[in-house]
Amino acid sequence: DIQMTQSPSALSASVGDRVTITCRASQSISSWLAWYQQKPGKAPKLLIYKASSLQSGVPLRFSGSGSGTECTFTISSLQPEDFATYYCQQYSSYPWTFGQGTKVEIK
Amino acid sequence: EVQLLESGGGLVQPGGSLRLSCAVSGISSSYYAMSWVRQAPGKGLEWVSIINTRGDRIYYADSVQGRFTISRDNSENKLYLQLNSLRAEDTAIYYCAKGQYSDPYSSFDSWGQGILVTVSS
Repeated sequence: DIQMTQSPSALSASVGDRVTITCRASQSISSWLAWYQQKPGKAPKLLIYKASSLQSGVPLRFSGSGSGTECTFTISSLQPEDFATYYCQQYSSYPWTFGQGTKVEIK
Repeated sequence: EVQLLESGGGLVQPGGSLRLSCAVSGISSSYYAMSWVRQAPGKGLEWVSIINTRGDRIYYADSVQGRFTISRDNSENKLYLQLNSLRAEDTAIYYCAKGQYSDPYSSFDSWGQGILVTVSS
């Protein structure tokens, strides 16, 4: 199985900050990586697919990059509604696996 | 607007069974792979199972292989998950998720609100 390791597990940031989360795969996943946002009590929401493609309707402050074994997710200017937990997920090979999540909290 | 609505969850004793349903509206789900993802209380996301459009390519997580069965009825726009031989560690919110593509190797672009399954005596 491909292990997905996110870092950091949690971070504190202020509105307007630039936030970066890294996801490392235990083997190459090419660009078959998605990023999801989950707020408490809600279902996950797809933000980025194929490592860097922005899902329709998602604000431009969200972006993704990378390929192979390391991908990065960035929020260019953190907004109040962005405080949530973010997960990466690989869909390069069975079984599909998620990172453990990164909780973005208010500083 | 795509909507997914799960039903069929609840409290069940260890060793028991449940059948989850997911009703899809707003699109024809027959064109997309469909999946189940679960989340234990306070934990992260765990992929459970996925099925392609025709139902002839099915995959399961090792943790549920042999106990859970995914199926779909394209004429009814519904997805199902039969849960047998349930264990306490199967306690979770179960989400129905729509694949972006017909192929199972997809990210998930629409999710249901989730349904709670509690396995306890």
